[in-house]
Amino acid sequence: KQEVTQIPAALSVPEGENLVLNCSFTDSAIYNLQWFRQDPGKGLTSLLLIQSSQREQTSGRLNASLDKSSGRSTLYIAASQPGDSATYLCAVRRRWGYSGAGSYQLTFGKGTKLSVIP
Amino acid sequence: GAGVSQSPSNKVTEKGKDVELRCDPISGHTALYWYRQSLGQGLEFLIYFQGNSAPDKSGLPSDRFSAERTGGSVSTLTIQRTQQEDSAVYLCASSSVQGRQFFGPGTRLTVL
Repeated sequence: KQEVTQIPAALSVPEGENLVLNCSFTDSAIYNLQWFRQDPGKGLTSLLLIQSSQREQTSGRLNASLDKSSGRSTLYIAASQPGDSATYLCAVRRRWGYSGAGSYQLTFGKGTKLSVIP
Repeated sequence: GAGVSQSPSNKVTEKGKDVELRCDPISGHTALYWYRQSLGQGLEFLIYFQGNSAPDKSGLPSDRFSAERTGGSVSTLTIQRTQQEDSAVYLCASSSVQGRQFFGPGTRLTVL
């Protein structure tokens, strides 16, 4: 059974700092990995999606890397801003059977709650 | 529509009552998912609908939970005889086949 762990559970940093959020998963047979952002009282916003064949994806100040063999992903946020304050969730989609298709289920970590202090 | 919508946004009910939660997926998305996010827990998968296929109900925690999807679009999650442990945020997502899942804002359910 796939398990996803995110460390740390909470993080507080001063504005302008660069930071790294960590995600680890136990089963390397993944189809893809996604990083989401969740704001209080709101749904999930997809930030970056990395296919199993990729090593990293970038969007603006965000960079996500994937090391499938070691079961790890990191989300790097450059020059953090107070607006980045949210909970960041990592989710993996399992590779399904010999066809290589993706299972529809996402397995989520419990998230890292980020606070960026002005 | 522009995104996945859910209603109500908040629901407070008394223990033992039945509740219905609604999800309107993105137009054209054939797949629809329900997840539950309990306090201090990660999101857990509940149920999956794909087109006209039989839904995968393997994540439903008990037989008090059921869901249906009418006309391949709107879905309703029903919880019968609610218990306090059912209190959580219920999230709906939709996608094209094998596509990225887009999430709604969720329904926060509080069972007193």
